[in-house]
Amino acid sequence: EPEVTQTPSHQVTQMGQEVILRCVPISNHLYFYWYRQILGQKVEFLVSFYNNEISEKSEIFDDQFSVERPDGSNFTLKIRSTKLEDSAMYFCAFPETGGAVISYGYTFGSGTRLTVV
Amino acid sequence: SQKIEQNSEALNIQEGKTATLTCNYTNYSPAYLQWYRQDPGRGPVFLLLIRENEKEKRKERLKVTFDTTLKQSLFHITASQPADSATYLCAPSNFGNEKLTFGTGTRLTIIP
Repeated sequence: EPEVTQTPSHQVTQMGQEVILRCVPISNHLYFYWYRQILGQKVEFLVSFYNNEISEKSEIFDDQFSVERPDGSNFTLKIRSTKLEDSAMYFCAFPETGGAVISYGYTFGSGTRLTVV
Repeated sequence: SQKIEQNSEALNIQEGKTATLTCNYTNYSPAYLQWYRQDPGRGPVFLLLIRENEKEKRKERLKVTFDTTLKQSLFHITASQPADSATYLCAPSNFGNEKLTFGTGTRLTIIP
């Protein structure tokens, strides 16, 4: 299946530090998403990004989070001041669709495991 | 609010048998239902999508049904193999770029 690379694969950070997670899609996408999964829990939606703007965000996505497309291809998720409860797997995802009609579901990235200590 | 339930947290099936996983949803009328596989430490991988006007969809050993009256989808793996062991997630949706809301997942173990 298509490969969507996320870096780093694992990051350990001290509480209060800033982290930047990166996602490199395999082709141009207008829409992309960030999800997270706390160990043993559901995959949860964080934020959707369309045409260089946030289109929807969840309650989890507070002021400590931000998303960017800094160079027109990569996507980043920044957590300004990490908390212990931010420890989770973070996934970027892209819908494989021709707009309103779903064709092939979503392609998820390889994931970043964030550990806040 | 939308609620998605998957039948059991864990399911053990003997190799060669058919595994059947259930996804029930409430407070929602999706036009599509997607199924994903997730291995430990990895992102979900898309398997199958079924539309509301399709009763059944097949892909190799996989079969998905969608009953909009019961608000339920069934996911079957026939001739199961140990390599099928993983967590399986369902996600109903209504249009192409809608965020996905996943069920809790069913951890399937195929016993040799």
